Amino acid sequence: LAKTTQPISMDSYEGQEVNITCSHNNIATNDYITWYQQFPSQGPRFIIQGYKTKVTNEVASLFIPADRKSSTLSLPRVSLSDTAVYYCLVGLNDYKLSFGAGTTVTVRA
Amino acid sequence: GAGVSQSPRYKVTKRGQDVALRCDPISGHVSLYWYRQALGQGPEFLTYFNYEAQQDKSGLPNDRFSAERPEGSISTLTIQRTEQRDSAMYRCASSFGGLAASNEQFFGPGTRLTVL
Repeated sequence: LAKTTQPISMDSYEGQEVNITCSHNNIATNDYITWYQQFPSQGPRFIIQGYKTKVTNEVASLFIPADRKSSTLSLPRVSLSDTAVYYCLVGLNDYKLSFGAGTTVTVRA
Repeated sequence: GAGVSQSPRYKVTKRGQDVALRCDPISGHVSLYWYRQALGQGPEFLTYFNYEAQQDKSGLPNDRFSAERPEGSISTLTIQRTEQRDSAMYRCASSFGGLAASNEQFFGPGTRLTVL
């Protein structure tokens, strides 16, 4: 499994853009990069997934450079409800997700 | 539609007792996973089912832990002779397909197990 490194915590204010960068230097050719979000007292929830370049959905954008050794999750105009833990996952196995400690994002008014 | 459900939501038991945790996946999802989550950490993989077949149980901590999914739907995680170190949140997830790299896993609310 590719090891990932992401910041332990980030603080932001409402309306700002939050960018979380995840390092995965030993990512394999067939690995996808997936981000999950977890609110307190809930299970993780899929946010976005990508393989290369840029992916955007209604929640976030995912930027992946050509070498794929890192990726950046971008949350536009965050609100208080975006306070959560965000996990970056990169997997070689077909079915197993390997979560680290994630990044705790705290959005303040 | 209904999401993944788990029962009980909370379980308090005494050391040495057996517990059974139930997971009801989303209808039609062939893949089912069990994870354990300690406070402040991400979920840790325990075991994986494809239909009724247990494909991987490498994450089960020891032989006191077992899981089954006899009809390819509901799954039960059983912990025998519980110990205090088993206290954690146990989460179940399901997905349509078995390729986690390209299949979203839907997580249940979890069962909070406390062993006294």
